[in-house]
Amino acid sequence: GQSLEQPSEVTAVEGAIVQINCTYQTSGFYGLSWYQQHDGGAPTFLSYNALDGLEETGRFSSFLSRSDSYGYLLLQELQMKDSASYFCAVRLTGGGNKLTFGTGTQLKVEL
Amino acid sequence: DVKVTQSSRYLVKRTGEKVFLECVQDMDHENMFWYRQDPGLGLRLIYFSYDVKMKEKGDIPEGYSVSREKKERFSLILESASTNQTSMYLCASNQAPTDTQYFGPGTRLTVL
Repeated sequence: GQSLEQPSEVTAVEGAIVQINCTYQTSGFYGLSWYQQHDGGAPTFLSYNALDGLEETGRFSSFLSRSDSYGYLLLQELQMKDSASYFCAVRLTGGGNKLTFGTGTQLKVEL
Repeated sequence: DVKVTQSSRYLVKRTGEKVFLECVQDMDHENMFWYRQDPGLGLRLIYFSYDVKMKEKGDIPEGYSVSREKKERFSLILESASTNQTSMYLCASNQAPTDTQYFGPGTRLTVL
């Protein structure tokens, strides 16, 4: 089956850099997306990689390597408000418009 | 801004009751989705719809049905609620060809 694996929890200090990994086993997909979800809130779109390489959006960057079946979300200059859950997701080829989500990583930012 | 609204933030029902969860989006999106979210399991797709009156099963459709009579509205129905359906239910919409989905605030359903 298709699966996307993420670490369940990551802790970092304010101002630091943190990397959240997403490893996957899937036969083919269009691109890798990342979503952020604060406690009690709705997931919101952060970033998308259609091609291999790095995509940068302000303090957040996302990376994809199809040959390594691996991607990551990089958060720089961490702020307390970055404490949230982060999900990677893919739209599988032949899967229509639905997304398959990873298990999610809870990021805790400490002082 | 895309807005996706869900009828209730919190809902408490009894085992065996019929439950309706409503979702409305205001951006004329073709595709709408229902997920449930449980700790450690991420978001799991229950059903989705790519057009009015069209529906497709997701990964965990058992015990659920859906209705899409109008483009902007997608309803999730629990015909006979059970305690294992206690969960957070999230609705989302999107418009092809982009992958980006827009989520509603969620409904936390408790079945007693």
